[in-house]
Formats: sequence, C-alpha cells, structure tokens
Amino acid sequence: SYELTQPPSVSVSPGQTASITCSGEKLGDRFTSWYQQKPGQSPVLVIYHHTKRPSGIPERFSGSNSGNTATLTISGTQAMDEADYYCQAWDSSTHVVFGGGTKLTVL
Amino acid sequence: EVQLVESGGGLVQPGGSLRLSCTGYGFIFSSYWMSWARQAPGKGLEWVATINQDGSQRYYVDAVKGRVIISRDNAKNSLYLQMNSLGAEDTAVYYCGRDRSLFDPWGQGTLVTVSS
Repeated sequence: SYELTQPPSVSVSPGQTASITCSGEKLGDRFTSWYQQKPGQSPVLVIYHHTKRPSGIPERFSGSNSGNTATLTISGTQAMDEADYYCQAWDSSTHVVFGGGTKLTVL
Repeated sequence: EVQLVESGGGLVQPGGSLRLSCTGYGFIFSSYWMSWARQAPGKGLEWVATINQDGSQRYYVDAVKGRVIISRDNAKNSLYLQMNSLGAEDTAVYYCGRDRSLFDPWGQGTLVTVSS
C-alpha cells in the first residue's frame, strides 16, 4: 500500500518560515494537497494540486512538489498558524492517501 | 456558500450497524465525486470511501472493504455510508468531503463510537 511520511512535529518562531515535508514514492506524479486542522475543528484545504491556493487562504501558504517530496511552506508564520497539517496524495489507482500529520508549534 | 452537513453518528455495540448521511448545500451535488474520511480520537486522517457522480464507481480503503457501502441520492443532494460489523477500530469522527482528488470543503463531522 502507498504511504506518505511526515515529521511528527515542526517548530518555528513567529515571523520565520516553516517548512513541512511529505515523502512518498514518486509523489511528484500524484496530485498532492495540504490541510490545516486546529483543535476541535474540521480540516481546511490550504494547498491543492501541488501549488494552488484556494480562495481565502493567505498568500503566506505555498506548496511545492518534486520527485518524492512535497513541501508546505508558511512564510512569515503567525501564531494563528499553529495547527496540525496533513498532506494528501491522489491517483486513480491508490485513490486517497493521507500522511500521518505534522504538529506545527509557533514558539 | 458551499457546505456539507453530516449526521447519523452515535454509540453502537460491537458487531452492530450504522448509516451515516451527508447533505450538500450551495453546489451542484450531482456534478461531483464525493468521499468519506475518518479520524480516530487523537489520531490522523484516514480515507474511507469514494463514489463517482452517478454511483457506478465506488472505491474503499482495505480496512473497510466488505463491511461498508458508500452510496448517494442526487435527488436529495445526499451521500451515505452504511457501516456493518463495526468494531472498536471504527470509532472515529467521520467526515464527508467533496471531490475525489482532494477534500474541499469538509463537513463538521459525526462521531461514531463502537463500545459495549
């Protein structure tokens, strides 16, 4: 079965850049998305199709995907960005797979 | 506003059954693939099932194959998840999501607790 690997936790200082990685075999060949989930809330899509940002998502969120690794980058991280982040990949054979999630702490 | 509202969760005994529902608002429901995902308490997200626009294609995660059926009623803008032979490992918040390659938006979720 297809698996996605994320670091369990990432820490960042306010105003700095946070990078969260997601690794999987030939991940660049699959549609990848990223979700933000705050405690007690449903996930929210922040990046889709590798690099696209839904309306209403701040410009400080960006995505990249190359080879076996996708990266969610948050520039100028704010306290409100503290949350769990999940990557997700899709293709027509394995369908939807989620990464294990990364807890972002803004210190 | 595009919105998804789940219902049908609750407490069920091991081996029991439950049917979850999800109603879509603010978009043409019949034009979209729809999916279910779940999140066990304190755990990550897990995809459960996906169905195409007319219900002719259905896909499931291995952990629920043979026990779960995804279906839809486009006339009612509704998505369903019939769950049978439930076990403790099925305890989770169940979310419905629009589309198949991504989830946007997510509903508020409905909690399923399997316990005696």
